[in-house]
Amino acid sequence: DAKTTQPNSMESNEEEPVHLPCNHSTISGTDYIHWYRQLPSQGPEYVIHGLTSNVNNRMASLAIAEDRKSSTLILHRATLRDAAVYYCILKEEYGNKLVFGAGTILRVKS
Amino acid sequence: EAQVTQNPRYLITVTGKKLTVTCSQNMNHEYMSWYRQDPGLGLRQIYYSMNVEVTDKGDVPEGYKVSRKEKRNFPLILESPSPNQTSLYFCASNILGPSTDTQYFGPGTRLTVL
Repeated sequence: DAKTTQPNSMESNEEEPVHLPCNHSTISGTDYIHWYRQLPSQGPEYVIHGLTSNVNNRMASLAIAEDRKSSTLILHRATLRDAAVYYCILKEEYGNKLVFGAGTILRVKS
Repeated sequence: EAQVTQNPRYLITVTGKKLTVTCSQNMNHEYMSWYRQDPGLGLRQIYYSMNVEVTDKGDVPEGYKVSRKEKRNFPLILESPSPNQTSLYFCASNILGPSTDTQYFGPGTRLTVL
């Protein structure tokens, strides 16, 4: 299973953008980059995913480096409800297994 | 509403007393799996199922059993629970297909084995 590296924790102020980095230098050509988050006392939930191009959805944006060895999850305006553990996961093209690392604990200050 | 449900949400039991944690999804997903989450170890896959009557071991299957008799249900069975199975358990499901598909997780079952 391809591995990812994320900072242990990050802090943000409410209403400000947050950039959560992820390194995946051993990514293969068919690995998709997925982001999930886990709010306190809840199960993980899907945030966004991408392959090569940057992606936007209602929750966040995903910026993928040209060489695909790193990516950044962008929360455009952090709210207190965004405080969670964020996981960057590489998923094989037709794979179903999610391999969770330690993730990044995001703290949002009011 | 699309969802994965688990029951019970909390369970305290004693060593050796068989228990079952149920998992059900209403999205007609083929793939279902069980994870356990422990401090410092993250989420680890216990068992998974690609479809009815098709199950396989994940990374930490020892001490657990599963069955998939119906597409919507995927119960986790602990025949003789031990204290090292005290953990937070999550069931998940997704459609089988390209990696564009997201995995949906249940709310979790917190199990304590005394």
